Amino acid sequence: GENVEQHPSTLSVQEGDSAVIKCTYSDSASNYFPWYKQELGKRPQLIIDIRSNVGEKKDQRIAVTLNKTAKHFSLHITETQPEDSAVYFCAAKKGSDSWGKLQFGAGTQVVVTP
Amino acid sequence: DVKVTQSSRYLVKRTGEKVFLECVQDMDHENMFWYRQDPGLGLRLIYFSYDVKMKEKGDIPEGYSVSREKKERFSLILESASTNQTSMYLCASSSQGLYEQYFGPGTRLTVT
Repeated sequence: GENVEQHPSTLSVQEGDSAVIKCTYSDSASNYFPWYKQELGKRPQLIIDIRSNVGEKKDQRIAVTLNKTAKHFSLHITETQPEDSAVYFCAAKKGSDSWGKLQFGAGTQVVVTP
Repeated sequence: DVKVTQSSRYLVKRTGEKVFLECVQDMDHENMFWYRQDPGLGLRLIYFSYDVKMKEKGDIPEGYSVSREKKERFSLILESASTNQTSMYLCASSSQGLYEQYFGPGTRLTVT
């Protein structure tokens, strides 16, 4: 099955600096890669996603890049703010799956210090 | 606005008890999912359902069963709770073909 590895497990950044989280996946046919943000005590929420026919996608201060050859994708947060502190999960959907089942990474705890 | 609700935020049960966790979504989504969330392990899929009365095992189905009698409701059942099932349980739903999953607030289950 699909296996998604996520690094680092924790990330501490100064406010205003950038944060990068990287995920690798095993199934070369995977075709959908979302990122979810989970604030303390809250439910995970989708913040950005990318499909395999696109190399990069941006939404204000966040961006996701996909390298299909290397089978990895990354989340970039620029100009970090305290409200970016949360656990971030990457995920991948197998290309053969039509139901939208996702394989999640283990998560990255991001702490933004003022 | 999609709303996914779960029957309890916190639940304490004894070993061997039968436990029911319920999830309801109000957006007419075809797909519903049950995950457990443990530190350092991310979200692991227990079961999912793509239609009423249709279900498939996820990655960790052992010790669990599910029921989907109505489109909006998906229940997770622990037939005989054990201490290693102490965890946060998250329900999610999605519309067929759109892939974004909407999560419920979670149920923190403690089995003593």
